[in-house]
This record gives sequence, structure tokens and C-alpha cells, in this order.
Amino acid sequence: KAGVTQTPRYLIKTRGQQVTLSCSPISGHRSVSWYQQTPGQGLQFLFEYFSETQRNKGNFPGRFSGRQFSNSRSEMNVSTLELGDSALYLCASSLGTVSGNTIYFGEGSWLTVV
Amino acid sequence: SQKIEQNSEALNIQEGKTATLTCNYTNYSPAYLQWYRQDPGRGPVFLLLIRENEKEKRKERLKVTFDTTLKQSLFHITASQPADSATYLCALDIGRGGKLIFGQGTELSVKP
Repeated sequence: KAGVTQTPRYLIKTRGQQVTLSCSPISGHRSVSWYQQTPGQGLQFLFEYFSETQRNKGNFPGRFSGRQFSNSRSEMNVSTLELGDSALYLCASSLGTVSGNTIYFGEGSWLTVV
Repeated sequence: SQKIEQNSEALNIQEGKTATLTCNYTNYSPAYLQWYRQDPGRGPVFLLLIRENEKEKRKERLKVTFDTTLKQSLFHITASQPADSATYLCALDIGRGGKLIFGQGTELSVKP
């Protein structure tokens, strides 16, 4: 079956702009989580959505937001972009029970802020 | 403070040898621990999951151990091959849905 699909794969934005990234989970998966990966901080959890509700949230400022649609597809938005937001943004999906599920990652969206 | 550390940023070994990667954590009580492989520019790929009540788990040339007393997991790749060269990440599943706490990763290089 198809894996986790993220779009766009690469994008360049200017400081102060906003960006929206999209994620389609594996069919049947109801949990979608988002991670930011940078060389300095590694992989850091942003938030998780399950059945259209945010269930978990990491320690990121309010400029980072997300949502999930009824078909489990998810989007994340970053407003007022800063240079430090340049990173690989990864989406992951799972069945969504609270623990022990295998979590599958997409290939990520590379965001460069200039 | 809560911390998860992998033994080294880079590990170089000769083809055919066993690679052993270490993951230590403090101040967490994970229900599960997962290991992932990540190639440059790609998303992490799931390898193995081990539960807190399991001591060891195997999959082909991979073996994972989980010692909740020592708060440590060991990840072994036997008969390593150059194709095993990648960054390996351990991640704690603390039982909160899709939230994983990742280590910084160990970059493994297997030389022919």
C-alpha cells in the first residue's frame, strides 16, 4: 500500500512569510504527527492529530499550527517565518492507539527560509 | 532533566563485523522503544520495536535489547554490509500516541 506522502518536497520562503505543508497518511491510519529535523536539534516532535483533534503538542511557539481533515490528511502551517525555521519537516502516520504502534514517516518537506 | 543519548555520533566498522549502537535515557519510563534507519535526505524508516517487558527482539541480522533497569537499549547489526551505512535513531514511545522522543542518532559507516 502507499506510504506517507508529503508535499511539497522542497520549498524556499522569505522571512516573514507563511508556509503550509501537506501530508497524506497511510490508508487506515488515523494518527498524524509532525516533526522538525535540524542538524543542531535533531528530530523534535511538533504535534499529533487523531480523528481531527490535536492530541499531543510539543514545545514549539504558536506560529506552528496544524489541522487534520476528516479523511485523516493533515496540514501544518508556519506563520511569520524565521531563518531558524529552515529544516526538514517530517510527517508520520500510525493507527493511533496510544502506544506500541509502528510509526511510518514520509520523506519530508525541505523548507529553506531566506 | 529528561534526556536520551546515543553512544556516539559516528561509528566506523569493517564489513562482516557486528555493529553495536547504544541508546541511554534518563527520567523517562517508556512503554516501548523503537529503532529507525535514516538515509541522507530521506525520512526515517522503522526497523524494530521492543516492549518494556521484552528483553530482546530479532529481525534477520538485527537484534535489539531493552534493559529498563539500566535504562538502556542496544542495537546490533550482525554481518554488517556497506549497504547498512546510514544514521540509526532510537526513539522512546512514552505512550502518548504519535509522540516519539528521539536520540540524536549514530551515523554508521561500514567499510568494505
